[in-house]
Amino acid sequence: VTQNPRYLITVTGKKLTVTCSQNMNHEYMSWYRQDPGMGLRLIHYSVGAGITDQGEVPNGYNVSRLKKQNFLLGLESAAPSQTSVYFCASSHSAGAQGNQPQHFGDGTRLSIL
Amino acid sequence: GQNIDQPTEMTATEGAIVQINCTYQTSGFNGLFWYQQHAGEAPTFLSYNVLDGLEEKGRFSSFLSRSKGYSYLLLKELQMKDSASYLCAVSSFSGGYNKLIFGAGTRLAVHP
Repeated sequence: VTQNPRYLITVTGKKLTVTCSQNMNHEYMSWYRQDPGMGLRLIHYSVGAGITDQGEVPNGYNVSRLKKQNFLLGLESAAPSQTSVYFCASSHSAGAQGNQPQHFGDGTRLSIL
Repeated sequence: GQNIDQPTEMTATEGAIVQINCTYQTSGFNGLFWYQQHAGEAPTFLSYNVLDGLEEKGRFSSFLSRSKGYSYLLLKELQMKDSASYLCAVSSFSGGYNKLIFGAGTRLAVHP
């Protein structure tokens, strides 16, 4: 699972996109943010191309999954509260019969000034 | 709602055994994962339990009691490289799909 960029510093109000791609033919992809003392929190997830849904903390974020292998995370208007480490993850499936472990990208460290 | 609790920090000595506990409350429970995360790195999969009992994998074992909403990760013969955060994550099935909800993680420090 490959995320880009790995590091990004920007200012309040900017629009930005973080990309995630996987070459394992996984159906399920997700975006998390990780903040000190709060663990990983699910932002949005996707169970297949063109299908996305909200997680625990979706406000301020949008996602796009036009192709199975790519899952984009967008911030329409970046805010300091969105300073965090973002992880993309993928797994084979997310259906009832297939509870597969997720494979994580290396993370994107985002700082919003 | 959903809630996952695990201790914030633990310390242990090299060569010893440590048990990291996790309690949870969730609807649509469909299994519990443990991940290891070294500082500045991505989480990596350690274990998965969906039925009650103990799953052993080398130096690491994981236990689940669904009736008690309780799991633990047991690390034996601790090594310095085991210093990391250990994340408990519950799979919750709803709307036809599983979602993974993480606890805040337990930071384990292994000392010589």
